[in-house]
Amino acid sequence: EVQLVQSGAEVKKPGESLKISCKGSGYSFTSYWIGWVRQMPGKGLEWMGIIYPGDSDTRYSPSFQGQVTISADKSISTAYLQWSSLKASDTAMYYCAKVAMAGDWFDPWGQGTLVTVSS
Amino acid sequence: DIVMTQSPDSLAVSLGERATINCKSSQSVLYSSNDKNFLAWYQQKPGQPPKVLIYWASTRESGVPDRFSGSGSGTDFTLTISSLQAEDVAVYYCQQYYSTPYTFGQGTKLEIK
Repeated sequence: EVQLVQSGAEVKKPGESLKISCKGSGYSFTSYWIGWVRQMPGKGLEWMGIIYPGDSDTRYSPSFQGQVTISADKSISTAYLQWSSLKASDTAMYYCAKVAMAGDWFDPWGQGTLVTVSS
Repeated sequence: DIVMTQSPDSLAVSLGERATINCKSSQSVLYSSNDKNFLAWYQQKPGQPPKVLIYWASTRESGVPDRFSGSGSGTDFTLTISSLQAEDVAVYYCQQYYSTPYTFGQGTKLEIK
């Protein structure tokens, strides 16, 4: 069974750094793109970017370019989303999701990581 | 970026009735070389991650009930639930995967009337 398991909820202060993770299992981790999606409280889905763990090729949405860093460690089948300096507006649920085998939609999704940034 | 616009923002339908959600893209997501529309539909229930229902605009994901169907081509698409069940209460999103960033619609909240 293909599964993505994300790291747990985080509570941080503005200006702090953070790296959240997404571990894939049940498939060849290096052969499929993995993406990150933001969902702010009570809002819709925002596509942030994707990474191909095989060669770390990464594509960002212009809205998130320079605001976050997407990376992957293929040795442990894990993708990451990181911030160097969090803002209150980064408070959101973050989902990782695997790009499907036959096309670039997301399937399946991780369970989500809630990031709360508050002073 | 391709802008995806859904209508309506919210919808209340009686049990057993038809629900229709529309999605319009700011440019065509039909890839002429394979005649496929790069459009997916997702369902998100409260407290859960989204789940894909439909891809290639009209192909139902395995295990998705056949009351869910997708149609449309080019820039205009529709998700139809033929006979609404209580478990279909959710927010529905369309997404284009024609060109990055693979943008989502704003979502349509479906409730029971």
